[in-house]
Amino acid sequence: EPEVTQTPSHQVTQMGQEVILRCVPISNHLYFYWYRQILGQKVEFLVSFYNNEISEKSEIFDDQFSVERPDGSNFTLKIRSTKLEDSAMYFCAVRGAVEQYFGPGTRLTVT
Amino acid sequence: AQSVTQPDIHITVSEGASLELRCNYSYGATPYLFWYVQSPGQGLQLLLKYFSGDTLVQGIKGFEAEFKRSQSSFNLRKPSVHWSDAAEYFCAVDPTSISGSARQLTFGSGTQLTVLP
Repeated sequence: EPEVTQTPSHQVTQMGQEVILRCVPISNHLYFYWYRQILGQKVEFLVSFYNNEISEKSEIFDDQFSVERPDGSNFTLKIRSTKLEDSAMYFCAVRGAVEQYFGPGTRLTVT
Repeated sequence: AQSVTQPDIHITVSEGASLELRCNYSYGATPYLFWYVQSPGQGLQLLLKYFSGDTLVQGIKGFEAEFKRSQSSFNLRKPSVHWSDAAEYFCAVDPTSISGSARQLTFGSGTQLTVLP
């Protein structure tokens, strides 16, 4: 099972601030995903990334969000100006042959 | 509309009892099917997957799931539950098998499992 790490594990930020969440897949993968889970709710897809560009994105993934893979290993999710409703657990995932493997998540708290 | 339904929000069983968690999907054809488990404050761990072949699939931690095409279901089962199985369980589908290109997962709303001693 591929190992996926995420940093930080918990981020507290003030409304309007920018945050960058990082994902480091240990082995080589082609497809990367970001999902989020608001407390008590189900996991929702944000964006998929393939061949260094966005493959698909959900309606949640508006202009405040961006993703990149700046150095060929780290995969980042940036929220430019955080809102209270961005408070959630953010999960990175990588695709195996068929399945997806998830990182431990970053808990983002916007105050 | 494409959807994944987990009709049971919360299930309570006694330790040692059998367990079945329900999952139904609504897609034009059979997507890839998965069960994930999430312990409190933790990430999502893959329990098992179905993408073709034998309709009864075995997973980790003693779990199994049965795919029933006629019922559009993929129910998770365990013959004897342990206290450590208390967690939230998510059914997920991936329509890659239908669309032909890698797609994202769509999750059900989850079933919270409580295990009584």
